[in-house]
Amino acid sequence: DGGITQSPKYLFRKEGQNVTLSCEQNLNHDAMYWYRQDPGQGLRLIYYSQIVNDFQKGDIAEGYSVSREKKESFPLTVTSAQKNPTAFYLCASSNWGSGNQPQHFGDGTRLSIL
Amino acid sequence: KQEVTQIPAALSVPEGENLVLNCSFTDSAIYNLQWFRQDPGKGLTSLLLIQSSQREQTSGRLNASLDKSSGRSTLYIAASQPGDSATYLCAVPNSGGGADGLTFGKGTHLIIQP
Repeated sequence: DGGITQSPKYLFRKEGQNVTLSCEQNLNHDAMYWYRQDPGQGLRLIYYSQIVNDFQKGDIAEGYSVSREKKESFPLTVTSAQKNPTAFYLCASSNWGSGNQPQHFGDGTRLSIL
Repeated sequence: KQEVTQIPAALSVPEGENLVLNCSFTDSAIYNLQWFRQDPGKGLTSLLLIQSSQREQTSGRLNASLDKSSGRSTLYIAASQPGDSATYLCAVPNSGGGADGLTFGKGTHLIIQP
């Protein structure tokens, strides 16, 4: 089945550690996105990529980094500079170049601090 | 900057009732509007995408309406069932067709009592 796979489902970060969240899609979508969800705050955009080897900052990019070396993959690194990383992280993709196309989401990764 | 508001924040109704969830947005120059469902601890499932040129979109017991001029959308759920219990989110593209991500409301947490 086509879809978006996020791993791991749960992740724990120690003080000063960088951690990387994986996102893979087999929908052949050009665009991929990372959102952060906090209780009571809704989803906020961290980074997005419209095409391979190109990405842009969203509203809350500080303390995060991404890469887009392959169309199918858009990993997110939460760096030690992100002081409040505990949240639910959601990856999405869309085929925006084809007009009104919905965004599809993975099942998320929950990141906590040890 | 676009802002999206959802009312009510929470709703609890007996099984079988028809209900309406509301979504409002501040910038009426939207390309489309998307309604999502989120179950606890899960990602988002796209329910309906309504284009700016459309007034309504239907899928089974769900009907979404869009009034761009007033900056409002409603999601109508007919004959509610306990399985409809979830958080419902609306979102609009940051620009164009959503290539640079979505702006989300904070959601309506819906409980259908058996």
